[in-house]
Amino acid sequence: AQKVTQAQTEISVVEKEDVTLDCVYETRDTTYYLFWYKQPPSGELVFLIRRNSFDEQNEISGRYSWNFQKSTSSFNFTITASQVVDSAVYFCALSRAEYGNKLVFGAGTILRVKS
Amino acid sequence: DAMVIQNPRYQVTQFGKPVTLSCSQTLNHNVMYWYQQKSSQAPKLLFHYYDKDFNNEADTPDNFQSRRPNTSFCFLDIRSPGLGDAAMYLCATSRDLGANTEAFFGQGTRLTVV
Repeated sequence: AQKVTQAQTEISVVEKEDVTLDCVYETRDTTYYLFWYKQPPSGELVFLIRRNSFDEQNEISGRYSWNFQKSTSSFNFTITASQVVDSAVYFCALSRAEYGNKLVFGAGTILRVKS
Repeated sequence: DAMVIQNPRYQVTQFGKPVTLSCSQTLNHNVMYWYQQKSSQAPKLLFHYYDKDFNNEADTPDNFQSRRPNTSFCFLDIRSPGLGDAAMYLCATSRDLGANTEAFFGQGTRLTVV
């Protein structure tokens, strides 16, 4: 069975602070995919990143960075110099390789960035 | 321009009265998905269509059905909504089932059951 745990229910930071959202996953598959999605108040899920299990390189995209560590089954997401527009619910998700878009989501982390 | 459109954004239905939620896409994707997201919970996959092939998740209640009359449209039918079915329903599409293609989500329909 696949499972994603986001232990942080809610995080509040002040603008310009860095913040890390934790994600721990469980799977018996050797090939799998990990995702992060952002859900702003408008409701739609916005794709942020996809990482396959064979690629442990960390990734940076602007103020966003992701740290994938297979040894600890973690796929953490850091926002540098947070902004009010980053306020949203962030979901980490996992999928099997052959059904890559059938996503198992974590419970989500509410991020509140205050000015 | 919105690529996955869900109508309506908000739907109120009576307990036990059948209700249909609509999703359309302009991406010509092969796969369409329906997720249920209850308040403060993670989205949960109900079923998906690959073209005309319907695939139900094992734990999706029989109360939930779906139709896909053509590539562009997919409907979620709730035959007898209960109070526990109140949720946000998210439609998504992807070109293929594999994770090498990105899934695009609509804005969701928030269903209230009274």
